[in-house]
Amino acid sequence: NAGVTQTPKFQVLKTGQSMTLQCAQDMNHEYMSWYRQDPGMGLRLIHYSVGAGITDQGEVPNGYNVSRSTTEDFPLRLLSAAPSQTSVYFCASSYLRLAVSNEQFFGPGTRLTVL
Amino acid sequence: DAKTTQPPSMDCAEGRAANLPCNHSTISGNEYVYWYRQIHSQGPQYIIHGLKNNETNEMASLIITEDRKSSTLILPHATLRDTAVYYCIVRVPQGAQKLVFGQGTRLTINP
Repeated sequence: NAGVTQTPKFQVLKTGQSMTLQCAQDMNHEYMSWYRQDPGMGLRLIHYSVGAGITDQGEVPNGYNVSRSTTEDFPLRLLSAAPSQTSVYFCASSYLRLAVSNEQFFGPGTRLTVL
Repeated sequence: DAKTTQPPSMDCAEGRAANLPCNHSTISGNEYVYWYRQIHSQGPQYIIHGLKNNETNEMASLIITEDRKSSTLILPHATLRDTAVYYCIVRVPQGAQKLVFGQGTRLTINP
């Protein structure tokens, strides 16, 4: 298993540009989520999904869109990048069922800089 | 989800046991205690979780007090590779897995 993969690893954008951060998992996990981590801070939840076709907002959703067309993929779209979105973005996935491990698996992160 | 309190930083000598405390005085009866760690800006890594009994796995041990208001993560023989930020998270296990990360404890293992 590849686990949780994220692309790209690094990205530099200009203010106002849009882009999509990719996240994929091959563990058949129902739950997927996106976090951002600013320097010296803990992770904050942006959006999450409990299955294909179902998404919901987390703590800091403004400026981001998500969709979940398949179980495997959960892309994060920045609509119009702003310097305040400079951060490291982590994707995570896990099972939802109580009978199995609740361990969340995190991807390696995408380091985004908005100039 | 219950709030947790952790010391901002700790040091430990290599080869010794590292004991990381966490206070969660408002924990409710159906909430579990989870521990994750983040090594040098990598994605967080799950370590262990428990409800009320002590738990042990290949990475660590988790000791939860009888009143469940606090817990301790124990790394029995710390190595330099255990230098990381450790997060204690309290939540119910079922449903949407929204983890709320606080500031965590920055553990430094010294040679």
